[in-house]
Amino acid sequence: GQSLEQPSEVTAVEGAIVQINCTYQTSGFYGLSWYQQHDGGAPTFLSYNALDGLEETGRFSSFLSRSDSYGYLLLQELQMKDSASYFCAVLDAGNMLTFGGGTRLMVKP
Amino acid sequence: SAVISQKPSRDICQRGTSLTIQCQVDSQVTMMFWYRQQPGQSLTLIATANQGSEATYESGFVIDKFPISRPNLTFSTLTVSNMSPEDSSIYLCSVVGLAGIKRDNEQFFGPGTRLTVL
Repeated sequence: GQSLEQPSEVTAVEGAIVQINCTYQTSGFYGLSWYQQHDGGAPTFLSYNALDGLEETGRFSSFLSRSDSYGYLLLQELQMKDSASYFCAVLDAGNMLTFGGGTRLMVKP
Repeated sequence: SAVISQKPSRDICQRGTSLTIQCQVDSQVTMMFWYRQQPGQSLTLIATANQGSEATYESGFVIDKFPISRPNLTFSTLTVSNMSPEDSSIYLCSVVGLAGIKRDNEQFFGPGTRLTVL
């Protein structure tokens, strides 16, 4: 099976940089995905890493180290609209996702 | 990206009754999944809806409680049977394998169905 650990809450100020870490234990690993979910909304895809290294998409970057079973999501130039829950999720070879517990990010002015 | 709709968006039901949730996609997809999410919690996969065959259930979920249909490549239903207050949750469908999407393992989620069982 899969298990993922991420912090439950993170608080940061507008314009700052925040890093959300995710460690995982898995019996089958294909890649690590990150999803954003605003209150009352559906999860939306942010990024995906199958190989070690950094993937950058605008203000958001995601990193993966397969040897350390570790990844992180980096959010730069934080905006109020970034306040949301962020989930890491392990993707297995069957295209199935196992989600972490989620990190609630609060951005303050 | 595709448009994914779910019906109903929310419902309040009496214990012992059943509710069927529909998931409709506006284009054909390879895979469809059903998840449950308690408010403020993570998403838990219930099952993979297989087109033309029985769904594949995750540990802790059984067909008698959560029967699933997928008659074609754009539609699926999840029924929550013999409901109890513990079934109160948000139920989401997701899809993979949308035409034109570069990353074919990217999952797109429906808006969810918020179920309250009294």
